[in-house]
Amino acid sequence: DAGVIQSPRHEVTEMGQEVTLRCKPISGHDYLFWYRQTMMRGLELLIYFNNNVPIDDSGMPEDRFSAKMPNASFSTLKIQPSEPRDSAVYFCASTTGGRYTEAFFGQGTRLTVV
Amino acid sequence: LAKTTQPISMDSYEGQEVNITCSHNNIATNDYITWYQQFPSQGPRFIIQGYKTKVTNEVASLFIPADRKSSTLSLPRVSLSDTAVYYCLPPSGGSARQLTFGSGTQLTVLP
Repeated sequence: DAGVIQSPRHEVTEMGQEVTLRCKPISGHDYLFWYRQTMMRGLELLIYFNNNVPIDDSGMPEDRFSAKMPNASFSTLKIQPSEPRDSAVYFCASTTGGRYTEAFFGQGTRLTVV
Repeated sequence: LAKTTQPISMDSYEGQEVNITCSHNNIATNDYITWYQQFPSQGPRFIIQGYKTKVTNEVASLFIPADRKSSTLSLPRVSLSDTAVYYCLPPSGGSARQLTFGSGTQLTVLP
């Protein structure tokens, strides 16, 4: 398996534009996590899914952020409208069911909003 | 949710053994302890996991005392390439499954 795949690797957009980040989890993994990482706030859990269903979105910063998982092999994180303070690295991770297994992370998407 | 506390940063020299201790005073009975490593510009990577006593793999050892209120990640003979942030995670208690990362420990290995 190629691991967790995120796209794009880098995204530069203007304030007010819509941004969509994409993630393909490892096949067979039924948990998917979205994180945001900044120097100031560290690695923050935004939302996670189990079997394509959002379980906890309490980390989503505000209504401008939304995430979907239409099937087991694809998830999106959308920001609309984007703001400069959304600039960060966004990571996606997946893992199997069961509480004590390791999570695999993608390479991340570096988002810059100007 | 079990809260972890670990040093913000540590420095070491090449070839030394490094021990990073994490405290998790309110860890749940059925929680495991997991450590991740993150290099700059990469996502975190699983290193090791354990429940009690000692666990060893090709990368590190994990020591967990009987009361399980702390754990120590041991990296033998570090090299410059071990410079990274190391995170200690107990999973949340209850049926919810989360991977919540604290601030981690920035380990800098010096030549």
